[in-house]
Amino acid sequence: KAGVTQTPRYLIKTRGQQVTLSCSPISGHRSVSWYQQTPGQGLQFLFEYFSETQRNKGNFPGRFSGRQFSNSRSEMNVSTLELGDSALYLCASSEGPLGNQPQHFGDGTRLSIL
Amino acid sequence: AQSVTQLGSHVSVSEGALVLLRCNYSSSVPPYLFWYVQYPNQGLQLLLKYTSAATLVKGINGFEAEFKKSETSFHLTKPSAHMSDAAEYFCAVSDMNYGGATNKLIFGTGTLLAVQP
Repeated sequence: KAGVTQTPRYLIKTRGQQVTLSCSPISGHRSVSWYQQTPGQGLQFLFEYFSETQRNKGNFPGRFSGRQFSNSRSEMNVSTLELGDSALYLCASSEGPLGNQPQHFGDGTRLSIL
Repeated sequence: AQSVTQLGSHVSVSEGALVLLRCNYSSSVPPYLFWYVQYPNQGLQLLLKYTSAATLVKGINGFEAEFKKSETSFHLTKPSAHMSDAAEYFCAVSDMNYGGATNKLIFGTGTLLAVQP
């Protein structure tokens, strides 16, 4: 079974631009979550989607948004990029929305803001 | 609110020595707990999980963890360290809402394990 696939792996943008990151979950997994990883703040939860609906949201500004498609693939968008948005963005998938099910992570998209 | 604390941001052991990485949790209800490992330039790989079954949980690569409710701990151990174990390790707990456990993971700050030859 293929793992979680995130594209692109690396991205360089400048301040003020917007960016879209993509995540394809493991086949059969319907829940997709996104996390931001930085040296200063560690791993922080952005949001979770299940059956195309946002179920949970972290404490990030409205510039961060996401969506999920009917095939469970998910995208996250960051508008008006700031230097502080430089981070590794990780996507995780699980079979369902219950917290006792393991989440499987992709290798992430490393976003650098110049 | 759920939280986890990892004691020791850096741990160094000799090859063949015992590995002990500490994790304490705070939860108002029985938690779901996880250990993940991250190698450089990679995502997180699940090592093991505790979901209220056996308190001693065995994971991949020879790792295991014991859930101790009285100590609110979920420490990760491996009897004999290997060079390939050098990586960063994260303890995590599932957040809770009115509906129960969610997929929102709350992570500790991580422990970087170095293995000396």
